[in-house]
Amino acid sequence: ETVVTQSPGTLSVSPGETATLFCRASRNVYSNIAWYQQKPGQAPRLLIYRGSTRVTGIPARFSGSGSGTEFTLTISSLQSEDFAVYYCHQYNDWLLTFGGGTNVEIK
Amino acid sequence: EVQLVESGGGLVKPGRSLRLSCTASGFTFGDSGMSWFRQAPGKGLEWVSFIRTKTYGETTEYAASVQGRFTISRDDAKSIAYLEMNTLKTEDTGIYYCSRSGRPDACDPLPDWGRGTLVTVSS
Repeated sequence: ETVVTQSPGTLSVSPGETATLFCRASRNVYSNIAWYQQKPGQAPRLLIYRGSTRVTGIPARFSGSGSGTEFTLTISSLQSEDFAVYYCHQYNDWLLTFGGGTNVEIK
Repeated sequence: EVQLVESGGGLVKPGRSLRLSCTASGFTFGDSGMSWFRQAPGKGLEWVSFIRTKTYGETTEYAASVQGRFTISRDDAKSIAYLEMNTLKTEDTGIYYCSRSGRPDACDPLPDWGRGTLVTVSS
């Protein structure tokens, strides 16, 4: 099983600042990483797939990078609606796995 | 517009069975691989199962935690994906989501998720 580790567990950021979230896979998953945003009581929302491709309609302040085992999600100029939990997901290997999530909270 | 609607959740005793349905519309269902995911209360996301299209033999994949107890299937004529859950355990409690893949034979994430159906396993 490919283990996905996200850091930090919680990130306290002020509105307008930049948040950088990290995701590490235990083995090479090439660019087969997706990032999801989830707010309380809602289904996950896909933001990024193939490591860096933004879903149509997702604001440009969300950007993904990385390949292999190290990946980053950057949220520039955080807006109030961006405070949520973010999950990293590898879909290269069966079994598909998720990281434990990063909670981006208001500082 | 793509829509995925899960149903069939509810309260069930440990050891019993439940069948979830995912009714799809807005796309050619038979061309899409389909997945089930779940989320325990207050916990993270977990992939549960995947089914390929008829072209790929409707072959399936399962998480280790449900292998041998859950069965995924599909009815392309009705545009429904099913998750038959047997020998349920308390740790199967959670919201179950279905999602479609951008590929017929592997998971390729798309933004199309249902709103989920709650399964509670408790005596």
